[in-house]
Amino acid sequence: DFVMTQSPDSLAVSLGERATINCKSSRSVLSTSDNQNYLAWFQQKPGQPPKLLIYWASTRESGVPDRFSGSGSGTDFTLTISSLQAEDAAIYYCQQYHSAPITFGQGTRLEIK
Amino acid sequence: EKQLVESGGGLVQPGGSLRLSCAASGFTFSAYWLTWVRQAPGKGLEWVANIKPDGSEKNYVDSVKGRFTISRDNAKNSLYLQMNSLRAEDTAVYHCVTGKGGGWIPECWGQGTLVTVSS
Repeated sequence: DFVMTQSPDSLAVSLGERATINCKSSRSVLSTSDNQNYLAWFQQKPGQPPKLLIYWASTRESGVPDRFSGSGSGTDFTLTISSLQAEDAAIYYCQQYHSAPITFGQGTRLEIK
Repeated sequence: EKQLVESGGGLVQPGGSLRLSCAASGFTFSAYWLTWVRQAPGKGLEWVANIKPDGSEKNYVDSVKGRFTISRDNAKNSLYLQMNSLRAEDTAVYHCVTGKGGGWIPECWGQGTLVTVSS
């Protein structure tokens, strides 16, 4: 199974500043057949289901603000929020969909400082 | 607009059974992989199982293999999760999820139904 490990577990960032969340996979999620990284990022706010932000490691979902970006390849990935807004306070999860069982990272809680 | 509505959750004793349902609308149900994802209270997300559009392929997380069965009825636009031999650690909100473009990327999530396993 793919083990996804996020860091840090939590962070506090000031409004307007940059927030960076890391995700490391125990195995490469890069597919040799299509050269795509099977990695997604989600945002979850209290009482709501998760919301898809990024897929294929760096493709922003429709309607997601461009301050959210994803990068990385193989086993190491990053979600960056370029200029933190108050509404970005949430828990963020990475997920690999390369192989079953699909696995999530443990989550990173992002708070506003 | 895609919509998923789960039902069937509730309180059940350890060792008991429960069947969850997910009613879908707003998309061509029979063309999509479907998934169950759960979240224990205050915990992270755990993928449980998924099923191919025609039902011919099913995948499960190890912790539920042999106890849970995912199924679908494309004529009724419905997804199911039969849960047997329930354990306390199965307590969670269970979400029904569609895959983006019919694939495995979780795109649209239902609000979920709470399953509580307790004596």
